[in-house]
Amino acid sequence: GAGVSQSPSNKVTEKGKDVELRCDPISGHTALYWYRQRLGQGLEFLIYFQGNSAPDKSGLPSDRFSAERTGESVSTLTIQRTQQEDSAVYLCASSFSGGSPYEQYFGPGTRLTVT
Amino acid sequence: QQQVKQSPQSLIVQKGGIPIINCAYENTAFDYFPWYQQFPGKGPALLIAIRPDVSEKKEGRFTISFNKSAKQFSLHIMDSQPGDSATYFCAANRGATNKLIFGTGTLLAVQP
Repeated sequence: GAGVSQSPSNKVTEKGKDVELRCDPISGHTALYWYRQRLGQGLEFLIYFQGNSAPDKSGLPSDRFSAERTGESVSTLTIQRTQQEDSAVYLCASSFSGGSPYEQYFGPGTRLTVT
Repeated sequence: QQQVKQSPQSLIVQKGGIPIINCAYENTAFDYFPWYQQFPGKGPALLIAIRPDVSEKKEGRFTISFNKSAKQFSLHIMDSQPGDSATYFCAANRGATNKLIFGTGTLLAVQP
């Protein structure tokens, strides 16, 4: 079946512009996560959605970052007034709450470059 | 504050060798320790995972060793192959949350 998909795969933007990244989770997966991966570093948790519960936003680095999810489907991560330090790969993952919540399935990521 | 420390940063072995990647954690509330494998241009994929009530787990050529008292765990790859060349991440999770805390990754190269 289809895995987690993300778009765009690459995004180059100018400093100060807003960007929107999209994630399509695996069908039936109620949990959705966003992570940031800076070059040569591990993954950094950003935000977690579980069904209709309030999202866990504790990892968002600043108020320039926000994310939304429509029901148990698509999610968008928005970065406003982008800065050069926002350059990274943004990874989305989903999991099935009926199984192990730790078995997160990752998409290929969106590589964001802020010039 | 980094909660999962991973070493080495990079590793080169010959085909058939047994690369070992180590991780150490601080938070004793962690109760699940997965390893992820990531190929260039791809998202991480779950490789193998262990809980702290088990000292060792094997899946195919991959083995996790877990030392609860030392708060350390490691990944061993038996009979390594060039196709195993990838970046490996350890991670930890606390049952009450769904946030995976990742190590910084180990870039493994298996030479033919």
